[in-house]
Amino acid sequence: QKEVEQDPGPLSVPEGAIVSLNCTYSNSAFQYFMWYRQYSRKGPELLMYTYSSGNKEDGRFTAQVDKSSKYISLFIRDSQPSDSATYLCAMKKSNFNKFYFGSGTKLNVKP
Amino acid sequence: DAGITQSPRHKVTETGTPVTLRCHQTENHRYMYWYRQDPGHGLRLIHYSYGVKDTDKGEVSDGYSVSRSKTEDFLLTLESATSSQTSVYFCAISESTGQGGTAAWETQYFGPGTRLLVL
Repeated sequence: QKEVEQDPGPLSVPEGAIVSLNCTYSNSAFQYFMWYRQYSRKGPELLMYTYSSGNKEDGRFTAQVDKSSKYISLFIRDSQPSDSATYLCAMKKSNFNKFYFGSGTKLNVKP
Repeated sequence: DAGITQSPRHKVTETGTPVTLRCHQTENHRYMYWYRQDPGHGLRLIHYSYGVKDTDKGEVSDGYSVSRSKTEDFLLTLESATSSQTSVYFCAISESTGQGGTAAWETQYFGPGTRLLVL
C-alpha cells in the first residue's frame, strides 16, 4: 500500500467551477503538507504548503488538512483554463527531509 | 525560480552505456534529491543527499549512483543504462528543518527535468 494515495483523474470541469482535489495518507507522523502544480513537460512548482492541521488560503486556492481523517484537500475557486495541469500532493514528517508524493491528479478546465 | 538547473535537458543513449545527469543549485541548500517520474508511478525517490559527500538511497536506487563533491552540484549516474530507465528525471532541493514551523523552506523546489531515452 502506498503511503500517499491520490486519484489520477483526469478531472474535467468547466471554466468558473470550484475544483476539489484530494489525497489520503496512512502515516500519522506526517506534519507538513504541500501541493504542487505541474504543467506538461515542466517541473513541479510549489503551490501551497501547510503545517499540521487547518486551512490555508492564497487567492483562489485553499489547502485543507484533516489529520484525524488523514485527508488533505486543495480547492480551486473560479477555475481558469490556465489551471489545467497535474496537481501533486506531498507530505513529510518533522525533522525528516524525505518527501512522500501522491501520483498526481490531472485537471482540465474547459473554456 | 528556485535557482536549480539540470543538464542535459534531453538525452538519447543506448543500452549498456553510462550516463551522468547533473543538478546545479545556487541556493546553498543542504538537501538535494533525484527523482524519476513515470506515468502511473508519480515521483519516485532515487537518491538524496544531506550534505557534501553524504548520500542515501531512495526507493528505486538500483542501477543508479550519486555523488556530491560540493554543495551546489549533485550528480546522478546510470552505471549501465537500460530501457527501463527511460524516464523524466527531476532534481529537487530543500533546506534542513531542525525544528517545527511554517517556513517556506520546509518544502522542496524542483528543477526543470531531464528527459532520458534509452534505446
